[in-house]
Amino acid sequence: TQLLEQSPQFLSIQEGENLTVYCNSSSVFSSLQWYRQEPGEGPVLLVTVVTGGEVKKLKRLTFQFGDARKDSSLHITAAQPGDTGLYLCAGPSAGNNRKLIWGLGTSLAVNP
Amino acid sequence: DTAVSQTPKYLVTQMGNDKSIKCEQNLGHDTMYWYKQDSKKFLKIMFSYNNKELIINETVPNRFSPKSPDKAHLNLHINSLELGDSAVYFCASSQGTAQETQYFGPGTRLLVL
Repeated sequence: TQLLEQSPQFLSIQEGENLTVYCNSSSVFSSLQWYRQEPGEGPVLLVTVVTGGEVKKLKRLTFQFGDARKDSSLHITAAQPGDTGLYLCAGPSAGNNRKLIWGLGTSLAVNP
Repeated sequence: DTAVSQTPKYLVTQMGNDKSIKCEQNLGHDTMYWYKQDSKKFLKIMFSYNNKELIINETVPNRFSPKSPDKAHLNLHINSLELGDSAVYFCASSQGTAQETQYFGPGTRLLVL
């Protein structure tokens, strides 16, 4: 069974701090997606990483896909209150290419 | 224009009632999904349709019945509602396989009393 474990589960930091959240698995994924879900809304895709070792940047957010394609990380530089939300990683199921396997998420609160 | 819309946004009902949630997408996607997000924020796939054909049916009580009248609509009917059905239900759509971006609706907050 493919699982995606995210850590930490909860994170509360002050504005301006840096942080890293992790998405780990014992299984290889063909790609991993990162979504952000703001309170009261549905998840929105931030980025998809496809190639092992790939690094993608989205303004202050840096996403990395592990060389073995079993893990990914999201680093936020100088966090702002607008970064507050639930960060979810997801990857295609090996058994059903229409289905995403979802992590439990990291709930981030950035305090002004 | 809203890409994926759901109605109603809030639904409060008594145990034992039957209710429906509607979803529509105007993105031209061929795949639509229903997810349940519980109080711990875990996003659990329930059903998926591709061009009106059921392609994912997870372990969901048969009180839940999806219906896709066309590829732009996916509705969810729930019979004999139970307290444990209280959750946020999200509709989503995508084009093609799970490698593609999923676009989510705003969610329906169901509270069963």
